[in-house]
Order: sequence, then structure tokens, then C-alpha cells
Amino acid sequence: GAVVSQHPSWVICKSGTSVKIECRSLDFQATTMFWYRQFPKQSLMLMATSNEGSKATYEQGVEKDKFLINHASLTLSTLTVTSAHPEDSSFYICSASTRQSYEQYFGPGTRLTVT
Amino acid sequence: AQTVTQSQPEMSVQEAETVTLSCTYDTSESDYYLFWYKQPPSRQMILVIRQEAYKQQNATENRFSVNFQKAAKSFSLKISDSQLGDAAMYFCATWIYNQGGKLIFGQGTELSVKP
Repeated sequence: GAVVSQHPSWVICKSGTSVKIECRSLDFQATTMFWYRQFPKQSLMLMATSNEGSKATYEQGVEKDKFLINHASLTLSTLTVTSAHPEDSSFYICSASTRQSYEQYFGPGTRLTVT
Repeated sequence: AQTVTQSQPEMSVQEAETVTLSCTYDTSESDYYLFWYKQPPSRQMILVIRQEAYKQQNATENRFSVNFQKAAKSFSLKISDSQLGDAAMYFCATWIYNQGGKLIFGQGTELSVKP
């Protein structure tokens, strides 16, 4: 089956610094990648959708200048949390799909802790 | 707006027994898919079962089956012969063709399995 990886799995950073999370599709070409945020015991909240070679489409209420998303190739998307603050601490999950497909393949997630 | 509602925040089942998780959704679209995802403590999202809206027959995957009532916009998940490994968060989700490939998730149901 299709495999999606995320790196790192857990990152701790200091308030005010930036952190980058990578999402890779290992055995297929992902034309579309999605980034979610999840708080404990809550559902996944879609942050943005990125199509390869295009600017990401952000959901309402998500700060695009704070959460920078780049989808430069068919196998890699990155989420950069800029000037991180403790309230950005959360679990971030990416998923990937091929164009117009209903099937999304999820990465294992990245736990971000901002101190 | 499309919505997915899971009205049971928590459910409990005895090992080897059967449990049903409820899900309702709201869409005016005709082309959509419905999913149940499992999120165990590892937080990796795992696809449990998928239902195409145009199919009347209920999907089945081993011990997992759905009761899809299209007119009522209901999509419940039945887990038979529950096992300890079934303990997890379960999310119902819809994928709608005209929504840019986004998945819309319900709030989740936390299932515990008692030995």
C-alpha cells in the first residue's frame, strides 16, 4: 500500500523559533497533500491543501504567514511553523493523495512542543 | 456547509461482543464517499472501511461492517467480536468530489474494550 512518512516524529523548540516538518510520499506521486492539526481527544482540523507546484489553499482562520506550506515536488511537502509559540504545540498530521482521488494516505504525525 | 456528526464521544464494549458507532452527515452533493478511520494510541490514522454513496450494498471488511442509510444520511459502523486491539478513537468522514478532495471529519468516538 501507499506509504507516507513524516519527519521528525517529535520536535521540541523554543518560543520564537521556527520549525519545519516534512511529509513524504514514499512509493507514489502525491499531487495533493493535506495538513491537519489535532489537539488531544479532538478531531483532525484541516489547515491547508497543497497541490504540487501551486500555492497552498488555507482553511479559514489559519494564518498563512505563520504556517508556511511548500509542495515543491510530487513526493515532498513541508510545513514550517514560524515564530512558534506555546499555543502552537499540537500534533500535526499530513496526508497525501493523487489528483481527484478519494483515497488519502496518512503520515504518522509529528508532535510539536514549544517551550 | 458539509458536516459530519458523531454523537457518541465515548463507547464501551465487552471483549467478543458487538458495538455500533453512529455517524450522520449532511451534504447536498450526490457524488461522495464515506469512511471510518481508526486512530489507536500511536495516533496513526488507519482506514477501516469505505462506502461509495452510489452503492446500495453495505460495505464489509472482516469484523467491520457499515449500515449506510442514504436517505437518512446515516453511516454507522458495527464492530463484531470486539478485540482489545479495537480500542481507539474512531472517526467518521466524508469525501465530496466537488470539495477539492477534502475529507470532512466527525468529532470522533473513543471506544474502549473491556476484557
